[in-house]
Amino acid sequence: EAQVTQNPRYLITVTGKKLTVTCSQNMNHEYMSWYRQDPGLGLRQIYYSMNVEVTDKGDVPEGYKVSRKEKRNFPLILESPSPNQTSLYFCASSSLDRVGQPQHFGDGTRLSIL
Amino acid sequence: LAKTTQPISMDSYEGQEVNITCSHNNIATNDYITWYQQFPSQGPRFIIQGYKTKVTNEVASLFIPADRKSSTLSLPRVSLSDTAVYYCLVGPSGNTPLVFGKGTRLSVIA
Repeated sequence: EAQVTQNPRYLITVTGKKLTVTCSQNMNHEYMSWYRQDPGLGLRQIYYSMNVEVTDKGDVPEGYKVSRKEKRNFPLILESPSPNQTSLYFCASSSLDRVGQPQHFGDGTRLSIL
Repeated sequence: LAKTTQPISMDSYEGQEVNITCSHNNIATNDYITWYQQFPSQGPRFIIQGYKTKVTNEVASLFIPADRKSSTLSLPRVSLSDTAVYYCLVGPSGNTPLVFGKGTRLSVIA
């Protein structure tokens, strides 16, 4: 089954404790992206990657890092999490074989930073 | 990336047809129009995509006028399970930042 898998689904942690949210897709997609969703603000893009070793900032990259060492994986790293990063996070992927390919989203990771 | 404007919310009774219109006055020549559906605490799910005229699939239809400055998502005979937020996006998508607006919250009432 084609899917985007995020882990963990839920995490409660404390300020300053480094954490990584993993994202993996099994569709051989070139494009992967991370979003955060906050009430009243909708979905905002954090980082995206168009292929292995190619990443770029989205609208709200501050406080986050990403890496794309393998095509299928795109982890989101919070080096020193802060309470304002408490949010619902989504990973997405899409093919780049033609313009306008829709994105496939994971089920989300709910992070609470205390 | 073209900015979109949609109604914040809509209500409908079960069995009715629902039309959600999205305005995108600054749409570019190579932009597609894509609609996503999102249930609470789930990731957005692709519904339908079009470039011009009309597109229909098993769940919805998408109407795009000739000037492409707006589009209308049509959901036939909605059920309670269609209660969700619907997002209209315009752009090349896959290789550029994807900008989601606030979407339209559809509430289907029995």
